[in-house]
This record gives sequence, C-alpha cells and structure tokens, in this order.
Amino acid sequence: AQSVTQLGSHVSVSEGALVLLRCNYSSSVPPYLFWYVQYPNQGLQLLLKYTSAATLVKGINGFEAEFKKSETSFHLTKPSAHMRDAAEYFCAVIGGAGSYQLTFGKGTKLSVIP
Amino acid sequence: GAGVSQSPSNKVTEKGKDVELRCDPISGHTALYWYRQSLGQGLEFLIYFQGNSAPDKSGLPSDRFSAERTGGSVSTLTIQRTQQEDSAVYLCASSPGAGSYEQYFGPGTRLTVT
Repeated sequence: AQSVTQLGSHVSVSEGALVLLRCNYSSSVPPYLFWYVQYPNQGLQLLLKYTSAATLVKGINGFEAEFKKSETSFHLTKPSAHMRDAAEYFCAVIGGAGSYQLTFGKGTKLSVIP
Repeated sequence: GAGVSQSPSNKVTEKGKDVELRCDPISGHTALYWYRQSLGQGLEFLIYFQGNSAPDKSGLPSDRFSAERTGGSVSTLTIQRTQQEDSAVYLCASSPGAGSYEQYFGPGTRLTVT
C-alpha cells in the first residue's frame, strides 16, 4: 500500500519568493510520483512526474521536484513565485509497475502575496 | 488535441434520484479512471477501466455506484438513489495505457444532492 503526506495545507509566499511545497510518500515498492495543480473550478493539470529516470524532474511553469529515496520525499519547488501560481497543488503516488491508481495527498493551497 | 471532457459540468439533484455522469477520454487512450473529490475525503479513486479487461471496481463506495465503458471509449458513472454524502466533484481521467502512468484529467462534474 502507498500513502502521501503533504506538510502544510496552506502556504503563503510573496511574489518573487521561493516556492517550496513538501511531499513525503510511503510505498512498499519503487514508486512513480506526480505533482498536479488545480486552479479554481477546474480539473487537475499534470505539472511533472518521476518514473525512475532522473531524480531531478523539471515540469511546466518553471516548477521542479527532486526525488530523494533516503528521505522518501518529492518536494516541489519554484525559484520565483508569480501571482498566476496561486492554486492548489496535489502530490500523488502510484505504487510501482503494475499499479495504476493514483493515491493523492490532501493538497496544499498556495497563496501568492503581491 | 482535445482533452478529456465531462458532462454535465454541474448537476443538482434531489435525494433519492438517480444520476448519470459522462466522460469522453482523449482519443486513443485505453485506460480510463474515475475519482471523487470531496472536502472531507480529498481525492479518492473509484474505478479503473483498461481496454477490454474487467474493470477494477475496488474504490466504489457502495453498490449504488456503477460505471460502464462502451466501445472502449465513453464512460458513464451512475449513482442510484443519491444521498447527500454523494455531493462531490467527480473527476474522470484517461491514460495512454501500456506502461504509461500519466493521467490526464477532465474538468469534473460538480454533483450537489439536496
């Protein structure tokens, strides 16, 4: 079984500041990890994915995440926040090859202060 | 190309009525998923279809919920005798299948049971 913990249900940053959204996972097999973003009243958009290739993954909109097996973490970062980054972010895990359903964290709502 | 589409976008129904929610996946995607997003439970997996294989129904919360996928494409999620706790956003996702783990989500159907 797998699970995801996102630390901080709400994070606020100033425009131009570093964005750091934390995600820790639990999986009994090598995981596949994802970050999704959800804007108000919209579906989920895939930001980036880790599927056992490079541990530093670059995604859309300037976001990146680093898979750290020793820390069971997959934190999402962006060097400089924009107002348009304000949204809810979800970390999700698939428990390795042969699995398929996403297990999601509870989400982190990002606010960007002008 | 066209993304995943869902209809209706909003549905208000009275307790005890049946509802049908529709999902049109991305053309060529063999895998289709239904998830539910609610304030109390977050994002939960409901059901998974892959090609012509028997669906994985392990996430369906009760026997009032059922889903079918016709011709390997369009899917319908049916909720019978709706209850207030069924109020949620129902999200559909599709994936190319065959070893691809990325899931692409539709905009969702917001169901309100009064």
